[in-house]
Amino acid sequence: GAGVSQSPSNKVTEKGKDVELRCDPISGHTALYWYRQSLGQGLEFLIYFQGNSAPDKSGLPSDRFSAERTGGSVSTLTIQRTQQEDSAVYLCASSLGGSQGLVEKLFFGSGTQLSVL
Amino acid sequence: AQSVAQPEDQVNVAEGNPLTVKCTYSVSGNPYLFWYVQYPNRGLQFLLKYITGDNLVKGSYGFEAEFNKSQTSFHLKKPSALVSDSALYFCAVRDLASNTGKLIFGQGTTLQVKP
Repeated sequence: GAGVSQSPSNKVTEKGKDVELRCDPISGHTALYWYRQSLGQGLEFLIYFQGNSAPDKSGLPSDRFSAERTGGSVSTLTIQRTQQEDSAVYLCASSLGGSQGLVEKLFFGSGTQLSVL
Repeated sequence: AQSVAQPEDQVNVAEGNPLTVKCTYSVSGNPYLFWYVQYPNRGLQFLLKYITGDNLVKGSYGFEAEFNKSQTSFHLKKPSALVSDSALYFCAVRDLASNTGKLIFGQGTTLQVKP
């Protein structure tokens, strides 16, 4: 596609339920990022995928959060047993990867607004 | 660990006046530095980056930023602000000494330009 696509754009769930958020990166981009944007919290790094390397999971806030990237393309962020504090906008971004990719800009999706009631 | 600080939650400027949005960083190696902007109801967009070379980098929409290694700063500037510049601005850093290409963002600064 022309840009980074995220779905759904909005998700309302009940506390304790599991949710899956999807990200379709730009074709050919080997680097993929997940961030969380909460009011007053800025952009919080969650996880980073680069090609076939082991992902950098250092930003995941708890073991309820996990993410995978299948075939080096589509990524899914899963939140188990959602809590109200998980309510936020979840942003996905992609960029050219590898050593050259370190200087490249990120292209962001429009995000998924998650509301946990 | 790499980190970024944006000390001002909000900056208010009159249209036509110069603006500065502050950013300081902490890395163990050399930094790659970026500024992104988020306009209301729109996604994050890249503004400019510092990789190496000239300390003053120019970006989109007339913005520029100055890299200062001794002060570990990368402040965003524009000589003459426009009302349309009102948005949320994020500074970000990559640490070349780390084994990961992750990009860390600051808390964001809301820029309000008044007519």
